Amino acid sequence: NAGVTQTPKFQVLKTGQSMTLQCAQDMNHEYMSWYRQDPGMGLRLIHYSVGAGITDQGEVPNGYNVSRSTTEDFPLRLLSAAPSQTSVYFCASSTSQGGETEAFFGQGTRLTVV
Amino acid sequence: GEDVEQSLFLSVREGDSSVINCTYTDSSSTYLYWYKQEPGAGLQLLTYIFSNMDMKQDQRLTVLLNKKDKHLSLRIADTQTGDSAIYFCAERFSGNTGKLIFGQGTTLQVKP
Repeated sequence: NAGVTQTPKFQVLKTGQSMTLQCAQDMNHEYMSWYRQDPGMGLRLIHYSVGAGITDQGEVPNGYNVSRSTTEDFPLRLLSAAPSQTSVYFCASSTSQGGETEAFFGQGTRLTVV
Repeated sequence: GEDVEQSLFLSVREGDSSVINCTYTDSSSTYLYWYKQEPGAGLQLLTYIFSNMDMKQDQRLTVLLNKKDKHLSLRIADTQTGDSAIYFCAERFSGNTGKLIFGQGTTLQVKP
């Protein structure tokens, strides 16, 4: 049972380049989210999805696109990378079926934009 | 609006108790969580409390919730050097979205 898998683990981009951060979960969770982590700012929500075909913006969506064509996958696209997008990115998935819920996190993608 | 606040740093001696505090603003949140992040790693769920509870104990961890003051705390008894990490408080956003709002994280430093 792999849980939440993010790829790549590290990436360096030049300003203006585009790329896609991959996220996959094998727990059949309906909810998936992307966060970025910056020093002293905790985790900030970029985009989230409540199910296949449904996405919505979080706190800091500008410069990022998402899609959710399947339950398992939730890729995050940087259209034109900027130095301000240098951060650690975490994908999370969770379910809500009454009772307790837990968000499972991937190991993170450390992105540097130069 | 949704906001979760934590102090940024706490230093304790090994064997002492640690108390990490958190305040939140969304009074309709259903679950409140504590996550632990070790260096270079993802977030690991430590414990959670449902909003209709005042206290939850899990081995060395005690979570206290004061709904009136919107205050959450995590007490770690007999703190060990392996407890050194960043601790995040998070609230589950009201409404069925699975969205979590995180605090800034408290770095816990445990001195031998």
